[in-house]
Amino acid sequence: DAKTTQPPSMDCAEGRAANLPCNHSTISGNEYVYWYRQIHSQGPQYIIHGLKNNETNEMASLIITEDRKSSTLILPHATLRDTAVYYCIVGYNFNKFYFGSGTKLNVKP
Amino acid sequence: DARVTQTPRDKVTEMGQEVTMRCQPILGHNTVFWYRQTMMQGLELLAYFRNRAPLDDSGMPKDRFSAEMPDATLATLKIQPSEPRDSAVYFCASGSGGETEAFFGQGTRLTVV
Repeated sequence: DAKTTQPPSMDCAEGRAANLPCNHSTISGNEYVYWYRQIHSQGPQYIIHGLKNNETNEMASLIITEDRKSSTLILPHATLRDTAVYYCIVGYNFNKFYFGSGTKLNVKP
Repeated sequence: DARVTQTPRDKVTEMGQEVTMRCQPILGHNTVFWYRQTMMQGLELLAYFRNRAPLDDSGMPKDRFSAEMPDATLATLKIQPSEPRDSAVYFCASGSGGETEAFFGQGTRLTVV
């Protein structure tokens, strides 16, 4: 499966939008982009996924570039409870998903 | 509220002992994954099953680890004998296959002393 590149950490002010980037330049045609987050040592929590169209749910929005080589996860109004490690993963069928190091998002008051 | 259930949540054992971790996947999910997380290695896929059949366990140390699905409602991960380097958090996840997302349990924190 394609690997991803994410910044190791980001800061965001509470109430502001958090925009988390992810590069996946080697993504193949049938691979989806998934976002998960992990708060403390809890199990990773599914956020959103998409193939090529932008997606939105109650938690976040996913913007995928037209060439699919990068994407951005948007938390529209970050709260302190959104402080977590965010993982961007590309693949299909969830087998051999590579979680990488993720982005540590720090939401500050 | 459907969720993946893992037991025990915490386990402390002595080196050389057998450890069994259990996972109850979400009802109706046909795909089950076992991950291990350490500070050094992050999240690593150990094994995964589809329709109870093991499809890939290449991430698992074969000499001491074994994973099974006795039935559709139970997945087990055994370590025998356990070693201090096995100390980690072990996560189970389940999904419906295809491009659908997988859902993780809260993990079993294993400490081998």
